[in-house]
Amino acid sequence: KAGVTQTPRYLIKTRGQQVTLSCSPISGHRSVSWYQQTPGQGLQFLFEYFSETQRNKGNFPGRFSGRQFSNSRSEMNVSTLELGDSALYLCASRPPSAYEQYFGPGTRLTVT
Amino acid sequence: GEDVEQSLFLSVREGDSSVINCTYTDSSSTYLYWYKQEPGAGLQLLTYIFSNMDMKQDQRLTVLLNKKDKHLSLRIADTQTGDSAIYFCAERGVAGANNLFFGTGTRLTVIP
Repeated sequence: KAGVTQTPRYLIKTRGQQVTLSCSPISGHRSVSWYQQTPGQGLQFLFEYFSETQRNKGNFPGRFSGRQFSNSRSEMNVSTLELGDSALYLCASRPPSAYEQYFGPGTRLTVT
Repeated sequence: GEDVEQSLFLSVREGDSSVINCTYTDSSSTYLYWYKQEPGAGLQLLTYIFSNMDMKQDQRLTVLLNKKDKHLSLRIADTQTGDSAIYFCAERGVAGANNLFFGTGTRLTVIP
């Protein structure tokens, strides 16, 4: 079974721009979560989607948003990028009725 | 909120056992996890333990949970150079929520 895939793997943007990251979960997984990893703050939860609905949200500003499609693929969007948004963005999917999460390779976003 | 703590560094000689420790604060945690992150990669789920268990063994990995002291440890037997990586402890928080709270990570260096 293929793992969680994320595209693109690397991205360079300029302050003030917006960006969209994509995540395809493991086949059969309907829950997708997003995390941000930075050297200063470590790994922080952004949001979780299940059946196209946001179930839970972390403590991030409204510039961070996401959505999930009927095929369980998910996207996250960051508007009005700031230098501090430079990070590794990780997506994870969870099997039905289970509690372990499987992570993708991440998208490394650099904001200049 | 949840707070998960780990020591930052650990060095061991190849062939020795490694023990990585973690403490957490949320006594209602239901599941606790260990993830491995190699340079430039996402998080690889190594193992997890349900809070009503004391121990779980999986090949070279042994997880010990002391719920009274809120202490979790990961023992890697016969440590190999390929085990060099950052190891993250994580807890699943409030029941019904699937977001994970991560520790700062322990960088394990295996000396040949």
